[in-house]
Amino acid sequence: AQKITQTQPGMFVQEKEAVTLDCTYDTSDQSYGLFWYKQPSSGEMIFLIYQGSYDEQNATEGRYSLNFQKARKSANLVISASQLGDSAMYFCAMREIGRNTPLVFGKGTRLSVIA
Amino acid sequence: DAGITQSPRHKVTETGTPVTLRCHQTENHRYMYWYRQDPGHGLRLIHYSYGVKDTDKGEVSDGYSVSRSKTEDFLLTLESATSSQTSVYFCAINDWDGPEAFFGQGTRLTVV
Repeated sequence: AQKITQTQPGMFVQEKEAVTLDCTYDTSDQSYGLFWYKQPSSGEMIFLIYQGSYDEQNATEGRYSLNFQKARKSANLVISASQLGDSAMYFCAMREIGRNTPLVFGKGTRLSVIA
Repeated sequence: DAGITQSPRHKVTETGTPVTLRCHQTENHRYMYWYRQDPGHGLRLIHYSYGVKDTDKGEVSDGYSVSRSKTEDFLLTLESATSSQTSVYFCAINDWDGPEAFFGQGTRLTVV
């Protein structure tokens, strides 16, 4: 079974600063994917970034990067140069790749960006 | 944006009544999922489908049933709604052309 743990229920960050949202995972699968989703106050789920377990480079998408440490089973999201619009709920998720199994989500971290 | 539409977007219903939520996609994706979101729990999988008439249970399937008679529609039914089923329900889709899943706008269901 797969499990995602997000230990930070809420975080604050100053505008223009960088912030790291923690995510650890547990799985016995060899081929898996790690995902981050953003949920603003409007409620929609927005896909941010993906990391495959066999990818050697950390994934980056604009101001988002995924700090993937396979041995530690962690997949932290780093947001650089925070903006007020980054205030939202952030979910880490994973699934087995290849069999296209459903996503398993963590409980989320609420990020608040302060001006 | 992926073409996923959930209906209704909001619903208030009484305990004991049946409720059906609809997820409609225009992407011809094979896989469809129903999740519920509750404070402190993140998103939890209710049921999913890996093809027409092919469905399976998720983590919190008790009290829910699903049907998928055509590729584009995935229906979630609460046979007899209870207050514990008050939640926000999300539909998601994905296919082999990419690892990420795309979500509908969500349905806020209140059972009184």
